[in-house]
Amino acid sequence: DTGVSQDPRHKITKRGQNVTFRCDPISEHNRLYWYRQTLGQGPEFLTYFQNEAQLEKSRLLSDRFSAERPKGSFSTLEIQRTEQGDSAMYLCASSTLEMGDYGYTFGSGTRLTVV
Amino acid sequence: AQSVAQPEDQVNVAEGNPLTVKCTYSVSGNPYLFWYVQYPNRGLQFLLKYITGDNLVKGSYGFEAEFNKSQTSFHLKKPSALVSDSALYFCAVEYGNKLVFGAGTILRVKS
Repeated sequence: DTGVSQDPRHKITKRGQNVTFRCDPISEHNRLYWYRQTLGQGPEFLTYFQNEAQLEKSRLLSDRFSAERPKGSFSTLEIQRTEQGDSAMYLCASSTLEMGDYGYTFGSGTRLTVV
Repeated sequence: AQSVAQPEDQVNVAEGNPLTVKCTYSVSGNPYLFWYVQYPNRGLQFLLKYITGDNLVKGSYGFEAEFNKSQTSFHLKKPSALVSDSALYFCAVEYGNKLVFGAGTILRVKS
């Protein structure tokens, strides 16, 4: 397992279009997180899953955003009717509850540009 | 409320000199603290963490950090900076089963 994978790396879309991003976590990690990072800011929490259950959603996650993690493996983040303000880097991370390996591993991110 | 402060937007240091990137936190209970580094257009790369135990934590690439409970600080340090250390550094605290990040500090190491 080579870490957390995100696809695509870059996405340019027109305003109003829908986009979907994918994240493949480290296989033995049961928690998966989505963060959004805008230029000059630290990552902001969007949502997280434990296995297939979505346990928390930030108020940043508007109705246009939806995330899924079917079967507790990979996750998708969909943005409907994109707006220019959605332009950001979307980061995925996974973590384990095992104390010996405690930590959060991030993927390389998906950079979204809405034109 | 839980928060992380990185008081310096940018730190400049000459190659070979020691560097410090500051971080203070505000969270109830015993904090779990992390440092990450980010290179342009890349994700976050883990440097080190404090969970419990020794207050001085050693991490990747020669970095270390000292947990100071009385000052609620977790400053990142390196004895001798390299030009390749130039990047964006984030301090984070775990709260409510997720990481809360500071705004980041740009480190510039000049040769």
